[in-house]
Amino acid sequence: KQEVTQIPAALSVPEGENLVLNCSFTDSAIYNLQWFRQDPGKGLTSLLLIQSSQREQTSGRLNASLDKSSGRSTLYIAASQPGDSATYLCAVDIIQGAQKLVFGQGTRLTINP
Amino acid sequence: DAGITQSPRHKVTETGTPVTLRCHQTENHRYMYWYRQDPGHGLRLIHYSYGVKDTDKGEVSDGYSVSRSKTEDFLLTLESATSSQTSVYFCAISVEPSGGANVLTFGAGSRLTVL
Repeated sequence: KQEVTQIPAALSVPEGENLVLNCSFTDSAIYNLQWFRQDPGKGLTSLLLIQSSQREQTSGRLNASLDKSSGRSTLYIAASQPGDSATYLCAVDIIQGAQKLVFGQGTRLTINP
Repeated sequence: DAGITQSPRHKVTETGTPVTLRCHQTENHRYMYWYRQDPGHGLRLIHYSYGVKDTDKGEVSDGYSVSRSKTEDFLLTLESATSSQTSVYFCAISVEPSGGANVLTFGAGSRLTVL
């Protein structure tokens, strides 16, 4: 059974720092991996999707990498801002077609002004 | 929320009563999903649909049923609600960007409390 783990569960850093969020998964047979952001009381917003054949994806200050063989992904946030404060979740897609995502429990990020 | 509307957004009910949550999309996406989110468990897939009247079970389907009689609507029913079904329920759709992999897009959530 695929399991996804995100460490740490919570992270607090001062504004302006670069930071890395970690995601690990137990079965390397994934179709793709997505990173989401969730603000309190809101739904999830997709940030980046990395297909299994790709190594990384970038969007603005965000860069996500994928190493299938080691079962790891990282989300790098450059020059963090208070508006980046949210919970970040990673999820792996285990089959093609229907997106039956398996989610990690998330990292709650706080950026202090 | 990418054209996804969930209703009701908040509901309090009593144990043993039936509850139906509705997910409505304004576009014509084939795949729709229901997830629940709980502290300590993250998001877990309940059921999903891959077309009108075509549905399948997810990881935590016991105690839930679904129906999809129209492309735009996906209903989640708790036949007899229990306190363990107190949760936040999210509907999602697979959005197919041109030339890329599907991206899962979520609604705003429905908070259900079973007393």
